[in-house]
Amino acid sequence: EPEVTQTPSHQVTQMGQEVILRCVPISNHLYFYWYRQILGQKVEFLVSFYNNEISEKSEIFDDQFSVERPDGSNFTLKIRSTKLEDSAMYFCASSLLQGRDGYTFGSGTRLTVV
Amino acid sequence: SQQGEEDPQALSIQEGENATMNCSYKTSINNLQWYRQNSGRGLVHLILIRSNEREKHSGRLRVTLDTSKKSSSLLITASRAADTASYFCATDAEGAQKLVFGQGTRLTINP
Repeated sequence: EPEVTQTPSHQVTQMGQEVILRCVPISNHLYFYWYRQILGQKVEFLVSFYNNEISEKSEIFDDQFSVERPDGSNFTLKIRSTKLEDSAMYFCASSLLQGRDGYTFGSGTRLTVV
Repeated sequence: SQQGEEDPQALSIQEGENATMNCSYKTSINNLQWYRQNSGRGLVHLILIRSNEREKHSGRLRVTLDTSKKSSSLLITASRAADTASYFCATDAEGAQKLVFGQGTRLTINP
């Protein structure tokens, strides 16, 4: 069964450093998403991406965040200057029909900011 | 807010018993989805129920949806120790391009 692949599975970074989280969505999917889950809390929407542009973003997704689809297969989330409160599990997801057929989530990247 | 709210927050039952988790939401939806998450791991899609459906089955899972009450339930029959996980409902609202997750129910199956 097709999977959404995320790398790395765990990243530790110093506060103030830039990080890039990588995702390979399912190849024929058209809609891409990032979500995050702070430890012990619920999953929160960050951003959706379609046709090479952001289609919706949450208030969490401020200027320190950016997304990119640099080629035909990767979808990245960049955090420019990490803060301690950015420590969370970050999930990438993709869908074919804008969620009407469901979403496929990756296994996540655990980001720890120290 | 479209947030889904789930109850109970935690549920502990004996292996073999049935587990029922409930979810409520606030806005009109296209569909509602249930996900499972083992501790510290990824989200596994369990089942999707569309707004025009009332009940759906998948193996030992049974999901109901009542759009008039804006609520859904997930029933796991004949529970197993491997069912121990957190279960989240997530709503896909009309006009939105995102899922909104509930707080989740932490299910523990005791052998």
